[in-house]
Amino acid sequence: QSVLTQPPSASGTPGQRVTISCSGSSSNIGSNTVNWYQQLPGTAPKLLIYSNNQRPSGVPDRFSGSKSGTSASLAISGLQSEDEADYYCAAWDDSLNGRYVFGTGTKVTVL
Amino acid sequence: QVQLVQSGAEVKKPGASVKVSCKASGYTFTSYGISWVRQAPGQGLEWMGWISAYNGNTNYAQKLQGRVTMTTDTSTSTAYMELRSLRSDDTAVYYCARVRVSVDTARNYYFDYWGQGTLVTVSS
Repeated sequence: QSVLTQPPSASGTPGQRVTISCSGSSSNIGSNTVNWYQQLPGTAPKLLIYSNNQRPSGVPDRFSGSKSGTSASLAISGLQSEDEADYYCAAWDDSLNGRYVFGTGTKVTVL
Repeated sequence: QVQLVQSGAEVKKPGASVKVSCKASGYTFTSYGISWVRQAPGQGLEWMGWISAYNGNTNYAQKLQGRVTMTTDTSTSTAYMELRSLRSDDTAVYYCARVRVSVDTARNYYFDYWGQGTLVTVSS
């Protein structure tokens, strides 16, 4: 089962701000950086945020990430219809000889 | 531009093996690692492991140890993932992804490019 915990769903109307939480532990988020991936329906995941709060080229600045202790969050401001997707947090975990762990995933619905 | 192109869908019987390929282009293959991630129908993402295309070192997810082998062919810039003794719960879309990793005060490990995915169906 997933090591990082996210809420199963989140929603908002166009233009609103939506925040997704990601809870981990000292061996993953507490020790290493957090990344976020967006998965649109029927497509491969796409890197959205890396190293806690960095956006790859091409990712709108509506998306922002933060980390505090063993938790992280992704914020989507100015929600748009094309933001309807699944979002996953992820981080390296230092336990069990090292592994990469994903969050449980959050389905964002634009109402 | 960076591209990872995977092989086509596979249907296998329980107990069989499957080998999925991932051909990279648009960058120096040996400068990055390749990771494999799978997603069962309607489920989340599961990291399977990764391989350094520079030296072939691997790190596999503990639950797959002994059943999975990741390799690379640097002459063709292609990565491979073989999964043996297939079971019905191995039915999933399998993705390859390019690994970015650096370590300073924390480990920065993430996937900046992904393949399109390969559906592997295990059914009798």
